Amino acid sequence: DTGVSQDPRHKITKRGQNVTFRCDPISEHNRLYWYRQTLGQGPEFLTYFQNEAQLEKSRLLSDRFSAERPKGSFSTLEIQRTEQGDSAMYLCASTQGRALHFGNGTRLTVT
Amino acid sequence: GEDVEQSLFLSVREGDSSVINCTYTDSSSTYLYWYKQEPGAGLQLLTYIFSNMDMKQDQRLTVLLNKKDKHLSLRIADTQTGDSAIYFCAAMYSGGGADGLTFGKGTHLIIQP
Repeated sequence: DTGVSQDPRHKITKRGQNVTFRCDPISEHNRLYWYRQTLGQGPEFLTYFQNEAQLEKSRLLSDRFSAERPKGSFSTLEIQRTEQGDSAMYLCASTQGRALHFGNGTRLTVT
Repeated sequence: GEDVEQSLFLSVREGDSSVINCTYTDSSSTYLYWYKQEPGAGLQLLTYIFSNMDMKQDQRLTVLLNKKDKHLSLRIADTQTGDSAIYFCAAMYSGGGADGLTFGKGTHLIIQP
């Protein structure tokens, strides 16, 4: 299957720890997005890459969050000093046109 | 900014048609989408429509767009138990430079036997 792949599927961490998630987009998709989804809500935009360039960041993305896409292929999202409010599903999506294709997400639980 | 609204729940009998409605606020939205999410999973793209179209049909799915009223609907014909999921409406907007999607809160589709 050549869909969007995210790793890990689940992450449980203690408050204050750092976590990193990985997203492998569909190959040749030049645009990559990170979204966050909390319970009972739709996904909310976090950040966007065109190739390796990070072109947009939401106000939701505090200084504790950083995302990279160093070679224009896979991307990582790191959260430093996690807080309980960071508990959510983190979704990655990629596209080359208008159809955004999502991965299955990484569910983060901060205890 | 863009705001997308959906009703939270819809209950239908198996075999009937389901109609899920959505309204959006930004008239400059260029594309409108329907995604399906099953428990614990990511979002599956069902279909999308360009804003200069009124209707799009794909097998059991029919999307209707009323651009004047900023109203989008998804009709699922012959609803099956496998259609039970949360359905998200989303709008693509051009402002902000991200070309990202703004999602509604999702409609839980409940299938009665």
